[in-house]
Amino acid sequence: SQLAEENPWALSVHEGESVTVNCSYKTSITALQWYRQKSGEGPAQLILIRSNEREKRNGRLRATLDTSSQSSSLSITATRCEDTAVYFCATDRNVGDNSKLIWGLGTSLVVNP
Amino acid sequence: EAAVTQSPRNKVAVTGGKVTLSCNQTNNHNNMYWYRQDTGHGLRLIHYSYGAGSTEKGDIPDGYKASRPSQENFSLILELATPSQTSVYFCASGEELGGRYAEQFFGPGTRLTVL
Repeated sequence: SQLAEENPWALSVHEGESVTVNCSYKTSITALQWYRQKSGEGPAQLILIRSNEREKRNGRLRATLDTSSQSSSLSITATRCEDTAVYFCATDRNVGDNSKLIWGLGTSLVVNP
Repeated sequence: EAAVTQSPRNKVAVTGGKVTLSCNQTNNHNNMYWYRQDTGHGLRLIHYSYGAGSTEKGDIPDGYKASRPSQENFSLILELATPSQTSVYFCASGEELGGRYAEQFFGPGTRLTVL
């Protein structure tokens, strides 16, 4: 089974709606990162949230982290068509070692006009 | 300016042929990575490097070699390409500084088809 897993695996919303992607992980972490991958591009980081943080914001994006339940969420408010992408969570493989990441399989988000 | 570039962007190879995928980064990062991305498998780490002259095996290194001749360049080599290596390959750079948390910066990807 995956060491990091997003859910649901796919979402479809209309522009202006809010959406939340969830991530569960199975290891102790020092940080969790959310990445977005648009079609034909490589992933790009959206938010990094450290294990001692509970919430992090970046514009319309809000990430939460609950280390007790080993889960994180990424919320996007006022979605736009350009938010259509695959969203990944990624964690460090070993506590304190961020040189390699554990990646989930991603959630595919489609934002319709 | 794009900080991580890959070439070629698309490649068609024949089974048994040699394929070299190239990656260049201008971030001056010590760490570089090669991933492949396939439907249902997400991003899988093939090889990575901590600096010029260093290469390390990732999770799926079989059938692949890597070369890091300089800080800026990292190549992925398929000596004998097979159809199972048909995939999209991504190069990334990243820096893990003591106490800081590394972000990885990805290139645009190379779509490789092995016939």
